[in-house]
Amino acid sequence: AQKITQTQPGMFVQEKEAVTLDCTYDTSDPSYGLFWYKQPSSGEMIFLIYQGSYDQQNATEGRYSLNFQKARKSANLVISASQLGDSAMYFCAMRDRNRDDKIIFGKGTRLHILP
Amino acid sequence: KAGVTQTPRYLIKTRGQQVTLSCSPISGHRSVSWYQQTPGQGLQFLFEYFSETQRNKGNFPGRFSGRQFSNSRSEMNVSTLELGDSALYLCASSIGQGTMNTEAFFGQGTRLTVV
Repeated sequence: AQKITQTQPGMFVQEKEAVTLDCTYDTSDPSYGLFWYKQPSSGEMIFLIYQGSYDQQNATEGRYSLNFQKARKSANLVISASQLGDSAMYFCAMRDRNRDDKIIFGKGTRLHILP
Repeated sequence: KAGVTQTPRYLIKTRGQQVTLSCSPISGHRSVSWYQQTPGQGLQFLFEYFSETQRNKGNFPGRFSGRQFSNSRSEMNVSTLELGDSALYLCASSIGQGTMNTEAFFGQGTRLTVV
């Protein structure tokens, strides 16, 4: 069964606007890690941000922040002041002990930034 | 610090042939995972190696195999290639076992085309 759900297959956002990419997850393990990756057309999977299940504060990395709502099992990625170079596929991923620590990915969201 | 290096970047093979892909992880990282990415199936976990031992294996046929060397470099092999094996193969590098809540860094991938 799918354990990472990204409900937005594609999004179009105007340059300089903020964008939120949705991600919900399912796990019975209290200890897990959540990740967001960016995949441009070149294919490389670029690590953006990480949130641990026990972290008290939402993770932030430059223009990226993770809106972590543990009770709702939600880990949305927020990109502030979007740029044309942000156009790419974005994957939400999770790692937990129930899966022997291997990372599973959502289906991804294709983000298009419009000039 | 060098990133994850995958070679070759592109490969074209014919059905029935075999192929070997290589992944050099980040220096100091001992865990290497392999993923297959296709438009239809998304990102699927192949296997994970830590200290030359296969720790996890995904749901792929025995034609897919891998190994890890003492310097942590890893290879994956696909024998008797089928058209459906055409995909982007991604390798991820992590510090190692027991560090579940750490990020994995990916290489640029090897794009395999089977004709």
